[in-house]
Amino acid sequence: EVKLQQSGDELVRPGASVKISCKASGYTFTNYAMYWVKQSPGQGLEWIGTIIPLIDTTSYNQKFKGKATLTADKSSNTAYMELSRLTSEDSAVYYCARLEPVVSPFAYWGQGTLVTVSS
Amino acid sequence: DVVLTQTPVAQPVTLGDQASISCRSSQSLVHSNGNTYLEWYLQKPGQSPQLLIYKVSNRFSGVPDRFIGSGSGSDFTLKISRVEPEDLGVYYCFQATHDPWTFGGGTKLELK
Repeated sequence: EVKLQQSGDELVRPGASVKISCKASGYTFTNYAMYWVKQSPGQGLEWIGTIIPLIDTTSYNQKFKGKATLTADKSSNTAYMELSRLTSEDSAVYYCARLEPVVSPFAYWGQGTLVTVSS
Repeated sequence: DVVLTQTPVAQPVTLGDQASISCRSSQSLVHSNGNTYLEWYLQKPGQSPQLLIYKVSNRFSGVPDRFIGSGSGSDFTLKISRVEPEDLGVYYCFQATHDPWTFGGGTKLELK
């Protein structure tokens, strides 16, 4: 069974950074791309970017370049997303999602991580 | 960016009824490879979105056949025949034809 377990909710100060994790199990981590999605009341659902763990290749929605950095640790089957220079606009639920080839980039989802930016 | 406009914003239904949701794109979603990467998701309260339909009309594994996706070009529809309690929530369309990939604003399926 494919499972994506995300790290816990975060309360962070404006201007700080936060790193969210997504631990994968139930499949070979390096064989599938991982995606990240933002959900906020104001902007709805937004695709942030993609990482291919096998070759450490990333691609980003232009809107999130400079804001999000995606990485993957093959030794622990974990994908990470770091968000920098946080503002209130970054307060949202963030999801990781796994590709199912020929089907969809978002076939399997993590449970979501709530990031609240507040002083 | 491609804008996906969903209507209605809210769809009140009676259990057992049929429901229909529209998703219109600001440009054609036919990819240069001939595929149309239009998907539908359901987000139940307090849960992550879940994939229902991919490439316009293909049901994902385990999705009941009462969910029917159709359409072409820039005009798409999700029909739910015989709405059941577990079908309530917010439905989103999504396109992966054009970069950046984008979601519709959502349609809330709720009880009358």
